[in-house]
Amino acid sequence: EDKVVQSPLSLVVHEGDTVTLNCSYEVTNFRSLLWYKQEKKAPTFLFMLTSSGIEKKSGRLSSILDKKELFSILNITATQTGDSAVYLCAVEAGGRLTGGGNKLTFGTGTQLKVEL
Amino acid sequence: KAGVTQTPRYLIKTRGQQVTLSCSPISGHRSVSWYQQTPGQGLQFLFEYFSETQRNKGNFPGRFSGRQFSNSRSEMNVSTLELGDSALYLCASSLVGRLNTEAFFGQGTRLTVV
Repeated sequence: EDKVVQSPLSLVVHEGDTVTLNCSYEVTNFRSLLWYKQEKKAPTFLFMLTSSGIEKKSGRLSSILDKKELFSILNITATQTGDSAVYLCAVEAGGRLTGGGNKLTFGTGTQLKVEL
Repeated sequence: KAGVTQTPRYLIKTRGQQVTLSCSPISGHRSVSWYQQTPGQGLQFLFEYFSETQRNKGNFPGRFSGRQFSNSRSEMNVSTLELGDSALYLCASSLVGRLNTEAFFGQGTRLTVV
């Protein structure tokens, strides 16, 4: 059975801190790993990673994938209160090259709270 | 362009009833997936539809079913509702092609079974 584990489960930091969120996985026919931010309802897309060792960056957020060790990290530097959210890691598995949304397996998420 | 639209946003039903939820994907997206989110289990995959066909299915009982129409809109149906079906139901749409593409989520339908 496909499995995605995120750590820590929750985290409280102060504004300006740097945080690292972890995601490890065991899936059959790995296709990609995705990070989402969920504040209230709809998870919003952050990154999609398919290749090992290539860092993806968007502003203060960055992520990297290690396909040999089966994990990914999401880094947030200079955290702000607006970064408070649940961060979800999901792995897409599938047997055919048919695009995203193909059975995402999610971790339970990391609840991040950034305090002033 | 418009995002993924789910209706209704909130729903209260009684045990034993059935419910139908609707999802309109982003224009041009042909893959629609459904997920159930509960505090205890997190986000769990229900099923995925592409070109009116179910391509993937999660580990949910047969009371959970879905369909997709020719315009890519999708509906999910839950029959004989149980208290444990209370959850946020999220729909995601994505493009389909040879390259991996991300899934975009709707705001969800909050279902409460009493």
